[in-house]
Amino acid sequence: SSELTQDPAVSVALGQTVTITCRGDYLINSYATWYQQKPGQAPILVIYANNVRPSGIPDRFSVSTSGNTASLTVTETQAEDEADYYCGFRDASRNLLMFGGGTKLTVL
Amino acid sequence: HLVQSGAEVRNPGSSMNVSCKTSGDTFINYVFHWVRQAPGQGLEWIGGITPKFGTTDYAPNFQGRVTITADESASTTFLEVSTLRVEDTAIYYCARLSGYCGNRCYLNDALDVWGPGTKVIVSS
Repeated sequence: SSELTQDPAVSVALGQTVTITCRGDYLINSYATWYQQKPGQAPILVIYANNVRPSGIPDRFSVSTSGNTASLTVTETQAEDEADYYCGFRDASRNLLMFGGGTKLTVL
Repeated sequence: HLVQSGAEVRNPGSSMNVSCKTSGDTFINYVFHWVRQAPGQGLEWIGGITPKFGTTDYAPNFQGRVTITADESASTTFLEVSTLRVEDTAIYYCARLSGYCGNRCYLNDALDVWGPGTKVIVSS
């Protein structure tokens, strides 16, 4: 079982706002990293740290953290945002990486 | 840009060896990780290597059965998994950790470049 817990599935109406959460004790006072994976494709990095986005990722994607929960919020959700989203965490002190179980985002 | 080796079919009990070649960047300055995804399942971290210092780290689930190496002259990292089981059937991805290794490493907590994946089937 994963040390990071995500809801298996979330749905959102086109153009609305959705939040995907990731819970775990590692996330206390830390940000999660978020990856997007579409069917048949490799994951891509969406956002990490305090809202650092790679080029090409729209600012509709943002993150926040509170207690042991990290959140990815997508505003004005588009059809192309439909994908699996994974949270990740790097424990630098032990050089370990971990992933949440993933959340399937459906855009209605 | 990461280029991975082709698909493999292996018998249980045998070994697999997947490669991941970097192009367009200075290989020695980066940290590389391996992640796998079983059919219909999520992402699972296997381990990583820092070629600059020759250090490796492995997930507890894979300790003793996995070896990650690097060949600087070929700008390539390798993943070997021994004593394969049917449940090792998965797509294996290499990914680069954001950041830079000079005299020391300045790393971010994000895998910013991913390879396309290598499909490995373990079946008798």
